[in-house]
Amino acid sequence: DAGVIQSPRHEVTEMGQEVTLRCKPISGHNSLFWYRQTMMRGLELLIYFNNNVPIDDSGMPEDRFSAKMPNASFSTLKIQPSEPRDSAVYFCASTLGVGTGELFFGEGSRLTVL
Amino acid sequence: AQSVAQPEDQVNVAEGNPLTVKCTYSVSGNPYLFWYVQYPNRGLQFLLKYITGDNLVKGSYGFEAEFNKSQTSFHLKKPSALVSDSALYFCAVRATDTGRRALTFGSGTRLQVQP
Repeated sequence: DAGVIQSPRHEVTEMGQEVTLRCKPISGHNSLFWYRQTMMRGLELLIYFNNNVPIDDSGMPEDRFSAKMPNASFSTLKIQPSEPRDSAVYFCASTLGVGTGELFFGEGSRLTVL
Repeated sequence: AQSVAQPEDQVNVAEGNPLTVKCTYSVSGNPYLFWYVQYPNRGLQFLLKYITGDNLVKGSYGFEAEFNKSQTSFHLKKPSALVSDSALYFCAVRATDTGRRALTFGSGTRLQVQP
């Protein structure tokens, strides 16, 4: 059974460029989460969706960040324009059901903004 | 608001010795509690969870955790550490009395098991 799939695994870009990170959740899962991991701030929740609807985006740093989930099997996190302080590992996770279950994480997308 | 504290940045233990990684939490109402492990350049992997019932929870790879409501703690334990247990460990919490499904994670504790 395939897990959560993220792409790209690594992205190096220059300041000001647009970055799009992609996530395919586990089939049948109805909640999807985007987290960001940095040494300084640890794991931070950016946004999460339930049944493709954004529920809590209070963790999105600023207007440069946007996330979409056009269907149950795909989500994107976009940064435009990117800045060096956006450099981090971005994780996507999914889960099923009423919320007692664990989150299943992808392998992450390591973003470096020069 | 919910939060998790992992007071130790790093725990060192000799192979074969018991290990404990500490976690305390703050949440309104009753908690759901989780432990995850992260190996280098990998995503987080689920180890175990406490939802309700027995305070001692057993999980993957011989790990267990004890829920202590009076001390608001959920420490991770293993009777005999292996070198391969060396990794980054995260405790996480969410409240049961909200519809919010997102987990709040602690800052992580690096476990180093020496041969």
